[in-house]
Order: sequence, then C-alpha cells, then structure tokens
Amino acid sequence: DIQMTQSPASLSASVGDRVTITCRASQNINTYLNWYLQKPGQAPKLLIFGASSLQGGLPSRFSGSRSGTDFTLTISSLQPEDFATYYCQQSYITPFTFGPGTKVDIK
Amino acid sequence: QVQLQESGPGLVKPSETLSLTCTVSGASISGYYWSWIRQPPGKGLEWIAYIFSSGSTNYNPSLKSRLTISVDMSERQFSLKLSSVTAADTAVYYCARHQSGNVVYGMDVWGQGTTVTVSS
Repeated sequence: DIQMTQSPASLSASVGDRVTITCRASQNINTYLNWYLQKPGQAPKLLIFGASSLQGGLPSRFSGSRSGTDFTLTISSLQPEDFATYYCQQSYITPFTFGPGTKVDIK
Repeated sequence: QVQLQESGPGLVKPSETLSLTCTVSGASISGYYWSWIRQPPGKGLEWIAYIFSSGSTNYNPSLKSRLTISVDMSERQFSLKLSSVTAADTAVYYCARHQSGNVVYGMDVWGQGTTVTVSS
C-alpha cells in the first residue's frame, strides 16, 4: 500500500494567517492527490483534486501544488470557517489511502 | 443536487454481519464510481471499496475476505456487507461518489455518515 504522511499533525493559527500543510507519498503517485477538509461531526469535503485543481465553487484562497512525491495545501488567508482537519488522499492506485490528517485550530 | 444517505443498523454484535445501504438522490447511479469509507472514533479515514455502476468492484485487501458490495440501479442504491465483525469495525461509515466518472478525481459527494458500533 502507498503510505501517506502529513505534517504538521496540528497547528494553531489566526484568522488572516497563511497556512501550509504538507503531504508526502511513499512512492510516485503522479498528480493523483486530493485534499479534503473535515469539520467535527461532518463528512469530509473535497477541496483540491489532481494535486492542484480547485474544486468548483470553493474560494481561491485554497491552492495545491506538487514537487515529486511532496504535496502542499496552502490557505492564503485563513478564515473562521477553515478551522478543521485536513486530509490528503492518493487516488493513484488501490487501496486508496489517506494521510493521518492535520488539525488546524485557533491560536 | 446529488445527495447520498447511508442507512442500516447502528449496533451489530461481534461475529455478525454489518449491512449498510447508500441511497442516491438527485442523480443517476449510472456512469459513476461509488465508494465506502470509514472512520473509527477519533481516528483517520480508511477507504473500504468502490463499485462502478456496471457492478465491477475493487476492495481494500485488508477487508476483502469479509467484504461484499453491490449495486441496485433500479433502486439507486449500493450496499456494503462486512462479515465477522469485531470491535475494530466500530466506526462512522460514509458512502461517497467519485466525480467525473473516474476514481482519480476525488470524491465530491458524501453521505452524512452512519455510526456503527460492534458490541454484544
């Protein structure tokens, strides 16, 4: 199975901060990397697919990038509704696997 | 808009079979891949399996020996059966749709999730 790691495991930030979350795959997954946001008690929500494509209807403050097997989710200016846990997921090969998550909370 | 709704027993006894159904509304099942994902309490997400509208399936090897998923186009439902459950199968179970008819583009529609507890 492809192992996905994320860093940091958690971070504290303020509204307006620029936030960066990193996800690393244990092998090449091309650009088959998706990012999700999950709030407590809710289902995950797709943010970014294909490493850098913003899901329709979502604000442009979310962006994704790739460098080899390292992937980055950036929130350019954190908003109150962005405090949540973020997961990466590889869709290159089954079994699809998720990272352990990064919890973003209020500083 | 497309909506998914999981249904099934919230409590299952150890060694028995967990059965869940996902009902699709607002869109056809045809032409899409549909997945089951679970999340144990306080933990991360685990992909369980997917099924295409034609009935072709792909299972997580870690669960394959206990797992069966199926689709009922006429009812716009797909189902999951997990046999010989243990406490380790206690989780919130989600159903989800892979967007654009391809598994690589992420899961864009999710059900609200249903909590399944394995306990005697």
